[in-house]
Amino acid sequence: ILNVEQSPQSLHVQEGDSTNFTCSFPSSNFYALHWYRWETAKSPEALFVMTLNGDEKKKGRISATLNTKEGYSYLYIKGSQPEDSATYLCASYTGNQFYFGTGTSLTVIP
Amino acid sequence: SAVISQKPSRDICQRGTSLTIQCQVDSQVTMMFWYRQQPGQSLTLIATANQGSEATYESGFVIDKFPISRPNLTFSTLTVSNMSPEDSSIYLCSVKTGPNQPQHFGDGTRLSIL
Repeated sequence: ILNVEQSPQSLHVQEGDSTNFTCSFPSSNFYALHWYRWETAKSPEALFVMTLNGDEKKKGRISATLNTKEGYSYLYIKGSQPEDSATYLCASYTGNQFYFGTGTSLTVIP
Repeated sequence: SAVISQKPSRDICQRGTSLTIQCQVDSQVTMMFWYRQQPGQSLTLIATANQGSEATYESGFVIDKFPISRPNLTFSTLTVSNMSPEDSSIYLCSVKTGPNQPQHFGDGTRLSIL
């Protein structure tokens, strides 16, 4: 079982603030790193799939970076909006199985 | 991307009963999974649903407790058998359409056991 850790566990920010959170994963048996956004009463929505060391991906105000050698990924949200409030999950994919972190719960206060 | 319909969306069940959750995909997919998220825990893989053969269960999950059917490439069911309060969780089905593709999830089934 791979240990994927996310921090912080929860976060409250003011509307307009930028924020970031971390996903740590074992660098052995690494194939890809996935980020998902999970809003209450909805299904998890895929944000990024990252495979290469040094990868940077961007989708609107959200971006992510990947360091496979040291086993971490950062997710950044620029100018947070209330609709960004959700739980952000990362998952390490070994080629056979996904291992999810417990998520970072983000609340953006208007 | 695949569109997944999962039902029921929620249920409250009595201890000792069983519930079957259905997952319907709008296209044929090879890889289909069932997950559970207990309160405060991460998403945990229960099993991979295999078309035409027995599901592949992860450590800690057994067929007698979580029987899975996959009669074709667009449909699967997960049954939670002989339920106890510890089975209160969100159950999710998901599919994966390619090696570098993300998973696509159903909306989940929120299950509470009294």
